Amino acid sequence: NAGVTQTPKFRILKIGQSMTLQCAQDMNHNYMYWYRQDPGMGLKLIYYSVGAGITDKGEVPNGYNVSRSTTEDFPLRLELAAPSQTSVYFCASNPDGMNTEAFFGQGTRLTVV
Amino acid sequence: AQSVTQPDIHITVSEGASLELRCNYSYGATPYLFWYVQSPGQGLQLLLKYFSGDTLVQGIKGFEAEFKRSQSSFNLRKPSVHWSDAAEYFCAVGAWDMRFGAGTRLTVKP
Repeated sequence: NAGVTQTPKFRILKIGQSMTLQCAQDMNHNYMYWYRQDPGMGLKLIYYSVGAGITDKGEVPNGYNVSRSTTEDFPLRLELAAPSQTSVYFCASNPDGMNTEAFFGQGTRLTVV
Repeated sequence: AQSVTQPDIHITVSEGASLELRCNYSYGATPYLFWYVQSPGQGLQLLLKYFSGDTLVQGIKGFEAEFKRSQSSFNLRKPSVHWSDAAEYFCAVGAWDMRFGAGTRLTVKP
């Protein structure tokens, strides 16, 4: 039982490049989330999903896209990377949303230069 | 919309001293409240949570938190801090989109 797995752990992108951050969970959780963490800002919700085929925007969705074709996977796509997207990205999941503990991945540190 | 404020960015305490980390929330209904801890380079781990009932909740690692509706607060406490408690602590209010505070970094002096 691996929990929430994120890949890669580190990545450097050039401005304008695109990439996909992978997130997989093996706990059969319905809810999955993507957050970004910037120094002194806490975690900001980018996108979330309440089940396969269903996604919705969080606080800071601009510049990102997601999909949820399976319960296990919730990839985050960055199109046209910008320096403002330099951050640490965390994926999380929980069984049924608001009243249950969220389990976090180890994070992906992304630098856009 | 819900929001969370952690007024203290950084706190330093001596090992063995007591600790209180502050958290204030804004939420339209009865909140689901959480405290998470993040060690350097790691993801977040749940310390404790409050949904309803007894307003004093116990968590892991000797932490507790008290929900005060009148003050919209959910402060985290520990009677005696250990060096291993040095980390960043996040308060969160849960809804369909869980909102986190900016975090409080705890330094423990020997």
